[in-house]
Amino acid sequence: GENVEQHPSTLSVQEGDSAVIKCTYSDSASNYFPWYKQELGKGPQLIIDIRSNVGEKKDQRIAVTLNKTAKHFSLHITETQPEDSAVYFCAASSPDDYKLSFGAGTTVTVRA
Amino acid sequence: GAVVSQHPSWVICKSGTSVKIECRSLDFQATTMFWYRQFPKQSLMLMATSNEGSKATYEQGVEKDKFLINHASLTLSTLTVTSAHPEDSSFYICSARGGLEKLFFGSGTQLSVL
Repeated sequence: GENVEQHPSTLSVQEGDSAVIKCTYSDSASNYFPWYKQELGKGPQLIIDIRSNVGEKKDQRIAVTLNKTAKHFSLHITETQPEDSAVYFCAASSPDDYKLSFGAGTTVTVRA
Repeated sequence: GAVVSQHPSWVICKSGTSVKIECRSLDFQATTMFWYRQFPKQSLMLMATSNEGSKATYEQGVEKDKFLINHASLTLSTLTVTSAHPEDSSFYICSARGGLEKLFFGSGTQLSVL
């Protein structure tokens, strides 16, 4: 099955700086890579996703890049704000069953 | 994005009782819903896949008689934790597939079994 690894497990950044989270996946057949933000006591919220036919996608301060050859993808948050503090999960799914395999999560803390 | 409503948001019950958690897709039809379990500071662990009108598919190690799943309509799936025990205490989250791949999550249910 798919195995997704996520780094770092924790990330502390100064407000206004950028945050980068990296994930690798094992199944070359995976073709859909979403990122979720989870606040304490709440369910994960989809913030951005990318498909394997695209190398980069951007939505305001959030961007995701995908390197299919190396089987890794990254989340970039620019101009971080305190409200960006949360746990972020990357995930990958294959076209066979659309099940999502999640990374272990990254706790992001934005210092004011 | 699509809205998935999950109730209750938290529940406390006595050991040996059963608890039902509801998951509804409010503005789209979901033929497939998923149920996850999450322990503190850990990732989401898939418990089962719920397909409308058919039996749920459980992941390895998940007791189907313990965690009963019903998906009777295109907008509602329920998870019943039967004869709950303290080790069943956890955060349970449902998700619904909107479109081919996009998954939208409910707000989660914190279950505490005394």
